[in-house]
Amino acid sequence: DSGVTQTPKHLITATGQRVTLRCSPRSGDLSVYWYQQSLDQGLQFLIQYYNGEERAKGNILERFSAQQFPDLHSELNLSSLELGDSALYFCASSVLSGNTIYFGEGSWLTVV
Amino acid sequence: DAKTTQPPSMDCAEGRAANLPCNHSTISGNEYVYWYRQIHSQGPQYIIHGLKNNETNEMASLIITEDRKSSTLILPHATLRDTAVYYCIVRVTNFGNEKLTFGTGTRLTIIP
Repeated sequence: DSGVTQTPKHLITATGQRVTLRCSPRSGDLSVYWYQQSLDQGLQFLIQYYNGEERAKGNILERFSAQQFPDLHSELNLSSLELGDSALYFCASSVLSGNTIYFGEGSWLTVV
Repeated sequence: DAKTTQPPSMDCAEGRAANLPCNHSTISGNEYVYWYRQIHSQGPQYIIHGLKNNETNEMASLIITEDRKSSTLILPHATLRDTAVYYCIVRVTNFGNEKLTFGTGTRLTIIP
């Protein structure tokens, strides 16, 4: 158990819908990362937040957005969902921005 | 980020040492070598990291060559539970580039 908690674990939704994935980092961790893993793309970095501020951006679609709240939990919002958005979404956290990163168990999103 | 090259797959007999190589010939002086593994579709699990010295923890040993252009992860007594995809990642830890960039990794299969 890494200490990173993600909810929901599984989610099935229809195309065009919007979903929110939630992440609670390890206690004391200030930095949160989001990754997407689909069958044909491997693990892709989406975005990083550090203490509430966006720190780095990867291959995140404009339909996707994220934020980190004052209590340090983070949410990844996915809108106008397409079939190709079906994937595992991982949240990870680290104490400070350069420290070891620990991953949660992921949220399985299936878009039908 | 420096790129890494890993064999796509390897087998190892249960109880033997598993030695997973990684080439990172373009590594910079401030880049660390990190190893993670992913068992089935679970969240990536941190194993070990190092800068230039060899490192050992309860999971594995990391041997980095003197020129830092390659490294080897050693699982001393492999068990069936070590079957996973192993990722070697070169990572800077500052300047907003602290994310992990995953490649395709090595699929390690432990043979009973």
